[in-house]
Amino acid sequence: LAKTTQPISMDSYEGQEVNITCSHNNIATNDYITWYQQFPSQGPRFIIQGYKTKVTNEVASLFIPADRKSSTLSLPRVSLSDTAVYYCLVGLYNFNKFYFGSGTKLNVKP
Amino acid sequence: EAQVTQNPRYLITVTGKKLTVTCSQNMNHEYMSWYRQDPGLGLRQIYYSMNVEVTDKGDVPEGYKVSRKEKRNFPLILESPSPNQTSLYFCATASYEQYFGPGTRLTVT
Repeated sequence: LAKTTQPISMDSYEGQEVNITCSHNNIATNDYITWYQQFPSQGPRFIIQGYKTKVTNEVASLFIPADRKSSTLSLPRVSLSDTAVYYCLVGLYNFNKFYFGSGTKLNVKP
Repeated sequence: EAQVTQNPRYLITVTGKKLTVTCSQNMNHEYMSWYRQDPGLGLRQIYYSMNVEVTDKGDVPEGYKVSRKEKRNFPLILESPSPNQTSLYFCATASYEQYFGPGTRLTVT
């Protein structure tokens, strides 16, 4: 099961772009990379998922280099409400085990 | 509305008293899973179920049982709870992405 490593915490200011990088050196060929957001005492919420290169949706972008040993979640123009813990997951598209890790606590300041 | 419901939301119990936390989803998903979350340890998977016929252990299955008799329900059973099972528990279901329930905060004294 591929494990992930993320920075424990990051600080940013409103309006800035935030990039959170995740390392997953043991990613398997069939694994996808998924990012979740979690607010205190709530269940995690799906942000974005990708396999390679770049994926973009209405809230974030996900950049995955060719070797897929890392990935970067990019949040454009963060606001105070983006203060949360962000988790990077690696797992099979058809799901079985998942390893969440400790996540990255993002603190957005005014 | 797509929902994952858990009951109870809060529970205080004593060591050794069997308890069940229920989880139900209305999305007709095959996959369901249970996680626990503890400060500094993030989310750890307890059990998961690929479908009604298949359940398997996650990273921290000790002290827990699960049951998947029907697609929509996936109860978590603690036969003899201990204080180290005091935690915040989340149920999740998935097709493309995982949908998490609101959480159950369990305290075992």
